[in-house]
Amino acid sequence: GENVEQHPSTLSVQEGDSAVIKCTYSDSASNYFPWYKQELGKRPQLIIDIRSNVGEKKDQRIAVTLNKTAKHFSLHITETQPEDSAVYFCAARGGSNYKLTFGKGTLLTVNP
Amino acid sequence: NAGVTQTPKFQVLKTGQSMTLQCAQDMNHEYMSWYRQDPGMGLRLIHYSVGAGITDQGEVPNGYNVSRSTTEDFPLRLLSAAPSQTSVYFCASGGGQVYTEAFFGQGTRLTVV
Repeated sequence: GENVEQHPSTLSVQEGDSAVIKCTYSDSASNYFPWYKQELGKRPQLIIDIRSNVGEKKDQRIAVTLNKTAKHFSLHITETQPEDSAVYFCAARGGSNYKLTFGKGTLLTVNP
Repeated sequence: NAGVTQTPKFQVLKTGQSMTLQCAQDMNHEYMSWYRQDPGMGLRLIHYSVGAGITDQGEVPNGYNVSRSTTEDFPLRLLSAAPSQTSVYFCASGGGQVYTEAFFGQGTRLTVV
């Protein structure tokens, strides 16, 4: 089955800096890559996603890039703010079914 | 429009007891799924459904049953609770352009003693 590795497990940045979280996946047929933000004690929220026929997608301060050849995708957050502090999860959907496999998460802390 | 609603929010079970976690969505989504979240393990798929009458196993299905008799409801049944099933359970739904986990419920924190 699909295997998703996520790095780093923790990331601390100063307010206003950029943050980058990277994920790799194993199934070359995977075609959908969402990112979720989960604040402490809350439910995960879908923040951005990308499909395999697109290399990059932006939404205000967040962007996701996909390199299908290398089988990795990344989340970029620019001009970080304290409210960006949360756990971020990447995920990949396998090509043969609708199963979504999650990475283990990155705890992002934005220091004021 | 309530989104995805899970009940109960908290539950304590004794080993061997059975129970049903309820999940309902009012967005007419075809896709629904159940996850468990354990510290350091991320979210792991238990079961999912792509429409009424259709269910399939995820990564960790043992000890859990599901059914999907209507588009709106997707209950998760614990057959005989074990301490290893202590976890936070999330239900999710998606449809239309995002045929995947677009919206999550608020979660159920289950403790098995």
